[in-house]
Amino acid sequence: EVQLLESGGGLVQPGGSLRLSCAASGFTFSSYAMSWVRQAPGKGLEWVSAISGSGGSTYYADSVKGRFTISRDNSKNTLYLQMNSLRAEDTAVYYCAKDLGDIVVVPAAYFDYWGQGTLVTVSS
Amino acid sequence: QSALTQPASVSGSPGQSITISCTGTSSDVGSYNLVSWYQQHPGKAPKLMIYEGSKRPSGVSNRFSGSKSGNTASLTISGLQAEDEADYYCCSYAGSSTLGVVFGGGTKLTVL
Repeated sequence: EVQLLESGGGLVQPGGSLRLSCAASGFTFSSYAMSWVRQAPGKGLEWVSAISGSGGSTYYADSVKGRFTISRDNSKNTLYLQMNSLRAEDTAVYYCAKDLGDIVVVPAAYFDYWGQGTLVTVSS
Repeated sequence: QSALTQPASVSGSPGQSITISCTGTSSDVGSYNLVSWYQQHPGKAPKLMIYEGSKRPSGVSNRFSGSKSGNTASLTISGLQAEDEADYYCCSYAGSSTLGVVFGGGTKLTVL
């Protein structure tokens, strides 16, 4: 059974940093692209970042480019999101999501499994 | 990366069919067959309903179907059931200028 378990969320002050983790199990982690998708309270879904199965290719939304870094440790079956220079508008539930396959040319964003989400609140 | 445009809400009676549109541009929806659709019930994680424009993952009812014409993708739900009431989001590759992914703003489906 595929399981994705996010952790690392919490309350952080504007300008601060936070690292999210997503522990994966039930599939061959290195064979699949992974993404982070966020949802602000009462709002819609927003794609944040994607990474290929090998970790060699990464993609970011314009809203987080230069501030967030996606990475993965395939030996630990874990996905990460390092978030720096956090802003109030980054407040959201952050989901990790598994893609149906790996990124061949461009990210297709077919997310067949999602974690339960972890809440990040940026406030003073 | 501008969000794809969806109607804020749609409604239908049990047994009826409804269609949710998702309008992008010639740079995203219009140029690539990389559209997916997600269903989200309150307090739950999203669920993949359609990928590659019209394909259904295993386990998704054949009452859900997807299509595309020009810059607009559509999700059709036939034989509406009470449990279909949820938020629906379209998603697409955003194009070579951004190399990213973009979601629609979401559509609230109400089953009357």
